[in-house]
Amino acid sequence: GQNIDQPTEMTATEGAIVQINCTYQTSGFNGLFWYQQHAGEAPTFLSYNVLDGLEEKGRFSSFLSRSKGYSYLLLKELQMKDSASYLCAVMDSNYQLIWGAGTKLIIKP
Amino acid sequence: GAVVSQHPSRVICKSGTSVKIECRSLDFQATTMFWYRQFPKKSLMLMATSNEGSKATYEQGVEKDKFLINHASLTLSTLTVTSAHPEDSSFYICSVNRGARLAGGPTDTQYFGPGTRLTVL
Repeated sequence: GQNIDQPTEMTATEGAIVQINCTYQTSGFNGLFWYQQHAGEAPTFLSYNVLDGLEEKGRFSSFLSRSKGYSYLLLKELQMKDSASYLCAVMDSNYQLIWGAGTKLIIKP
Repeated sequence: GAVVSQHPSRVICKSGTSVKIECRSLDFQATTMFWYRQFPKKSLMLMATSNEGSKATYEQGVEKDKFLINHASLTLSTLTVTSAHPEDSSFYICSVNRGARLAGGPTDTQYFGPGTRLTVL
């Protein structure tokens, strides 16, 4: 079956760095998405990786290793507003999105 | 396993026709379902909130007569794109909130469907 795993909850300190991991097993691969979702709001697109390597976008970076079925989202210089759920989703060979359950990130002062 | 399913997964239609997309909650009853539209590498755009037994609530700028939503049961919501045009081509995703009270406390987790890719020729 198809499966996406990511931690349920993580806690980090304001100003620090946090890495949210995502492992996947899917029927084919057409890219991996990271979304940020604040409570009560629609998810916001953060990144899309289809090739191996690290993509940096400001304070956020996303890494992909297709051979390992692994991705991570790296958040630097954490701010209180980064407290949110972070969703990992993989597009399979049929261009269907397989969603992770989301990681709730709690930022403490 | 999957909590939310969508059907069809992919549909191609001619301009002017109507297309119905189904969203089913597989594991629990859902009084509220959400419909999103996704443009390439962009955020999910909330289109409407589907309420079981009552009219859907549409977001500003979404034409309710064009995107008909019917939430006929606690496990099924449908989105019908009427008189589809090429600009309606997109990826439509539904989600379900699991707000039921379970042993140990309430949950409030959102589950997303796999999406439906609509192509209007």
